[in-house]
Amino acid sequence: AQKITQTQPGMFVQEKEAVTLDCTYDTSDQSYGLFWYKQPSSGEMIFLIYQGSYDEQNATEGRYSLNFQKARKSANLVISASQLGDSAMYFCAMRERSNDYKLSFGAGTTVTVRA
Amino acid sequence: EPEVTQTPSHQVTQMGQEVILRCVPISNHLYFYWYRQILGQKVEFLVSFYNNEISEKSEIFDDQFSVERPDGSNFTLKIRSTKLEDSAMYFCASRGDRGLEETQYFGPGTRLLVL
Repeated sequence: AQKITQTQPGMFVQEKEAVTLDCTYDTSDQSYGLFWYKQPSSGEMIFLIYQGSYDEQNATEGRYSLNFQKARKSANLVISASQLGDSAMYFCAMRERSNDYKLSFGAGTTVTVRA
Repeated sequence: EPEVTQTPSHQVTQMGQEVILRCVPISNHLYFYWYRQILGQKVEFLVSFYNNEISEKSEIFDDQFSVERPDGSNFTLKIRSTKLEDSAMYFCASRGDRGLEETQYFGPGTRLLVL
């Protein structure tokens, strides 16, 4: 079974608008961490934001925020005020204590920001 | 800001040849990882390494693969006899010791092409 599901292969967003990238996860652990990474066309993996399973507040980092709904097992990334430089692939990932802390990645969502 | 570095950035090799991919993790990190991303696919875990030994490996990480920390700074992935299907981007990652909330930082990747 997939641990991380990203159902949107690609999305277009207008510059300065917000975009929400969906991520659902599957785990039986009580303690886990959720991450979002950005992969531009150059290929590197850039850490964006982290949410711990026990964190009561949604994580925010600048223009990135994570809409964490634990009961639904979803961890959607919201990018506000999109910029052309946000065009990239975005990966949701999960780390579980029972899984030796390694990351399990989703298939990714390609975001294209239009001027 | 400390970062994970990888060399080379690109490598082209003939099928059956040995390749060594090199990584320098962040200096005070204790846990090291290799991941692989075949073009257009999601990132897959290969192996984790802690305290000078492999802590976990995936089914991808067969006898053709090995990892080593030959000195206090480098962390290498060796593929003994490359196959066409080994063509991928290989990422090294490292993290510290704060448990579940510790972020894994990725290097820029090595793009391996096996001909």
